[in-house]
Amino acid sequence: ETGVTQSPTHLIKTRGQQVTLRCSSQSGHNTVSWYQQALGQGPQFIFQYYREEENGRGNFPPRFSGLQFPNYSSELNVNALELDDSALYLCASSPGLAGTFYEQYFGPGTRLTVT
Amino acid sequence: AQTVTQSQPEMSVQEAETVTLSCTYDTSENNYYLFWYKQPPSRQMILVIRQEAYKQQNATENRFSVNFQKAAKSFSLKISDSQLGDTAMYFCALANSGYALNFGKGTSLLVTP
Repeated sequence: ETGVTQSPTHLIKTRGQQVTLRCSSQSGHNTVSWYQQALGQGPQFIFQYYREEENGRGNFPPRFSGLQFPNYSSELNVNALELDDSALYLCASSPGLAGTFYEQYFGPGTRLTVT
Repeated sequence: AQTVTQSQPEMSVQEAETVTLSCTYDTSENNYYLFWYKQPPSRQMILVIRQEAYKQQNATENRFSVNFQKAAKSFSLKISDSQLGDTAMYFCALANSGYALNFGKGTSLLVTP
């Protein structure tokens, strides 16, 4: 059984650029959540995708967007990068939704640095 | 709104000793779940223990146990027989029947020889 994977591991971007981060969910999981973890802070919920539809969103501006594909992998896109977007981006997958909380399994994260 | 507070930014314990990490939370929901996650320097967030709010019995996983005080909205983690590999950031998190985990700011635990 393959766990949650994320790519790339690290990347450096310039303010104003756009970035795409990728996540492959654990086998059998159809829900993917994205979190932003700033240095020295706990993760903050960005949004969640369930069966290719956005299911919920945290307090993040529209320049943070996402996709989920038929194989349940997911992308996080950030436009017009700002210095404050520098953070560790975590992806978590879980096996279902339907009003019941399922345990979320995290990937190793992507470290984004905006200069 | 849900909030999670961890009042201990850093803690230190000697190997083989016991340490307790504190967490308080606030939620208006009756049905919710509480978690402790461990994040070592490798960054991978690992679930340590979970507690369903409707269960009165405190959860236990090997050397890890919790003290869940629902009325006080307190959820502390006790690590017994601390090991060097327990050195990590520990995050307390809260979720209801929705979709998002709400995390505290974390406690950095250092286990010393």
